[in-house]
Amino acid sequence: KQEVTQIPAALSVPEGENLVLNCSFTDSAIYNLQWFRQDPGKGLTSLLLIQSSQREQTSGRLNASLDKSSGRSTLYIAASQPGDSATYLCAVAAGGTSYGKLTFGQGTILTVHP
Amino acid sequence: KAGVTQTPRYLIKTRGQQVTLSCSPISGHRSVSWYQQTPGQGLQFLFEYFSETQRNKGNFPGRFSGRQFSNSRSEMNVSTLELGDSALYLCASSLMINQPQHFGDGTRLSIL
Repeated sequence: KQEVTQIPAALSVPEGENLVLNCSFTDSAIYNLQWFRQDPGKGLTSLLLIQSSQREQTSGRLNASLDKSSGRSTLYIAASQPGDSATYLCAVAAGGTSYGKLTFGQGTILTVHP
Repeated sequence: KAGVTQTPRYLIKTRGQQVTLSCSPISGHRSVSWYQQTPGQGLQFLFEYFSETQRNKGNFPGRFSGRQFSNSRSEMNVSTLELGDSALYLCASSLMINQPQHFGDGTRLSIL
């Protein structure tokens, strides 16, 4: 059974700091890994998707890496801003026809203060 | 392009009742997945539908069921509601394999 763990559970940083969020998973037989953000009372917004054959993906100030063999992914946020405050979730998709089934971590609550 | 739409946004029910939640995926998306989110258990997969067929099912009791229509719209039903069913129910759709899942804002279900 796939298990996904995110560290830290919560993080508070001053504006402008670079930060790293961690995600680990127990079964390396994944098809892809996604990072999401969730604002209070809202659904999830997809940030980055990394296919199992890829090592990293970048979008603006965000960079996500994937080391499938060790079961780890990191989300790097550069020059953090108060608007980045949210809960960040990573999720893995199994292979085959199970790509629509995501297993989520518990999330990291990020607070960026001015 | 319209996103994933879930209705209603909020629901209040009492124990023993049943409820139906609706999800309209992004146009052209044929895969629809449902998730339950609670503070204690986090996000848990309920089921996934593709072209009107249930392709995957999570570890939930038979009181939880769903279906998908020919236009890809999906509904989930929960019968004999229990207090523990209080949660945010999220629907997601995707275009094809290795494409991101896009989530709606969810239906907040409260059981009294």
